[in-house]
Amino acid sequence: NAGVTQTPKFRVLKTGQSMTLLCAQDMNHEYMYWYRQDPGMGLRLIHYSVGEGTTAKGEVPDGYNVSRLKKQNFLLGLESAAPSQTSVYFCASSYSSLRLYGYTFGSGTRLTVV
Amino acid sequence: AQKITQTQPGMFVQEKEAVTLDCTYDTSDQSYGLFWYKQPSSGEMIFLIYQGSYDEQNATEGRYSLNFQKARKSANLVISASQLGDSAMYFCAMREVYNNNDMRFGAGTRLTVKP
Repeated sequence: NAGVTQTPKFRVLKTGQSMTLLCAQDMNHEYMYWYRQDPGMGLRLIHYSVGEGTTAKGEVPDGYNVSRLKKQNFLLGLESAAPSQTSVYFCASSYSSLRLYGYTFGSGTRLTVV
Repeated sequence: AQKITQTQPGMFVQEKEAVTLDCTYDTSDQSYGLFWYKQPSSGEMIFLIYQGSYDEQNATEGRYSLNFQKARKSANLVISASQLGDSAMYFCAMREVYNNNDMRFGAGTRLTVKP
């Protein structure tokens, strides 16, 4: 009963490096999301996907790209990391909004960009 | 755009007492859901309680209840009989049915339960 799994859990990057965060869910959820959490700001939506092969921008998409080639996976990429991207990243998944289900969250990835 | 406001950055409560965490929201939609999540120091996001905009009764889940006042657009979380393990960050969130499916979060309230 894995739910939502995020890898890696921790990462330190140098400015300008690239990396990909992986999110995998085994609940057959249609929708998947990437959020970042910063102190005093709650969770802010980066990108989301309403189905395989589709992605859309959220509230703070700049500097990030995403892909959803398979229904169960949602990848978040940083092409050229900046210190402003130091944050905790959460992936979440859910059923369609018309059923107004809550989200299932992964355990988070703590990223530090130096 | 939907907006969630939590006006209490930090709250203290004595063990075994009740505490109310405030949340107000802004939406022009009639159909939406309100959620509360708990984030302990370990970092995971734990779903606590859900209230639908058309639900006539306030939601309850064990020691958690949601004081839903639709006309005032408030959805306060009430925790009864506080326990030391309730010390955590608490986030209020809203999801609109017809707004591209994303859930928006408030800035959170850090609750500390004193022994």
